[in-house]
Amino acid sequence: EAGVTQSPTHLIKTRGQQATLRCSPISGHTSVYWYQQALGLGLQFLLWYDEGEERNRGNFPPRFSGRQFPNYSSELNVNALELEDSALYLCASSLAFREHVDTQYFGPGTRLTVL
Amino acid sequence: AQSVTQLDSHVSVSEGTPVLLRCNYSSSYSPSLFWYVQHPNKGLQLLLKYTSAATLVKGINGFEAEFKKSETSFHLTKPSAHMSDAAEYFCVVSDGGTGANNLFFGTGTRLTVIP
Repeated sequence: EAGVTQSPTHLIKTRGQQATLRCSPISGHTSVYWYQQALGLGLQFLLWYDEGEERNRGNFPPRFSGRQFPNYSSELNVNALELEDSALYLCASSLAFREHVDTQYFGPGTRLTVL
Repeated sequence: AQSVTQLDSHVSVSEGTPVLLRCNYSSSYSPSLFWYVQHPNKGLQLLLKYTSAATLVKGINGFEAEFKKSETSFHLTKPSAHMSDAAEYFCVVSDGGTGANNLFFGTGTRLTVIP
């Protein structure tokens, strides 16, 4: 069974540009999560999508946005890039949200570098 | 509010000796707790999870963790370290009880295994 996949592996942008990161969940998973792992800041929750809807977002500005497609894949868009957006962006997926906690399985990440 | 504290940022052990990575948690709900491992330039791999079943949880690669409610701890152990265990380990608590389904990561413990 294929795991969570992310593309691209690496992305280099300049300040002010927009970045688009993509994630495909494990087959059968309908929830997708995005996390930022920045140097010195640890892993921080960004966004959670389930069944095409944004369910929750972390403490990030609105220029971080995303969407989930009918096939449950997801995009993370970062507008007006700033130097501090340089980080590893991790996507995770889980089974459909229920009252109990479903385990999140992570992809390999996209390394975004902003110059 | 949910949070985890990993008590050691770096642990160094000799190959073949026991591993102990310490984690304390804070949660307003009956917590779900996880340990993830991250090898260099790789995504996160689930080692084990606790979701209110048995307090001693066995994971992959010989790791296990014990949930101790009275001590609010969830320490990770392994009887005998292997060179391949060298990686960053994250203790994680979920706020699934709130419906938000977010993961809160500790700051990580880097495990070094000395030959």
